[in-house]
Amino acid sequence: DIVMTQTPLSLSVTPGQPASISCKSSQSLLHSDGKTYLYWYLQKPGQSPQLLIYEVSSRFSGVPDRFSGSGSGTDFTLKISRVEAEDVGVYYCMQGIHLRTFGQGTKVEIK
Amino acid sequence: EVQLVESGGGLVQPGGSLRLSCAASGFTFSSYAMSWVRQAPGKGLEWVSAISGSGGSTYYADSVKGRFTISRDNSKNTLYLQMNSLRAEDTAVYYCAKGINWNPAKGYFDYWGQGTLVTVSS
Repeated sequence: DIVMTQTPLSLSVTPGQPASISCKSSQSLLHSDGKTYLYWYLQKPGQSPQLLIYEVSSRFSGVPDRFSGSGSGTDFTLKISRVEAEDVGVYYCMQGIHLRTFGQGTKVEIK
Repeated sequence: EVQLVESGGGLVQPGGSLRLSCAASGFTFSSYAMSWVRQAPGKGLEWVSAISGSGGSTYYADSVKGRFTISRDNSKNTLYLQMNSLRAEDTAVYYCAKGINWNPAKGYFDYWGQGTLVTVSS
């Protein structure tokens, strides 16, 4: 099974400041089809998870451009250029190359 | 607009059974794989099961294999999860999630339902 490891597990950020979350997979998420099967979700308090980023760096429809994803192989990063109050919640990375596995989640709060 | 509405959750005793449903609308249901993902109280997300668009291929997490059965009725645009031999550790909010194509084994979920709570307790 592919293990996804996120760091840090919690983050307290001043509004307007950047934030960064790391996600590492136990196996490469690069498929022979050329796609990298790494995604990012945000679960806001009391809500279902919502897709932010697919295939490492593509923003889903309606996602603000302050969110960006990068990385390759087994090491990935989600960055928020300027955190806003509405960005609070738990961020999860997920691999989709072999069934699905989620990272433990990173809780982001506002200072 | 894509909508996924889960139902069927509730309180059940250990060893009991429950069937969850997920009513889908706003897309061509039979063209897309669907999954169930659960979240125990205060915990993270755990993928549970997936089914192809036709229903011919199914996959399960080891934690539920042999106890849970995923199925779908494309004529009713509805996804199901039959849960048998329930354990306390199955207590969670269960979400249905839409895949991005017919393949249940790869890819991501672009839409999620609001979830239904299953509590296994005596």
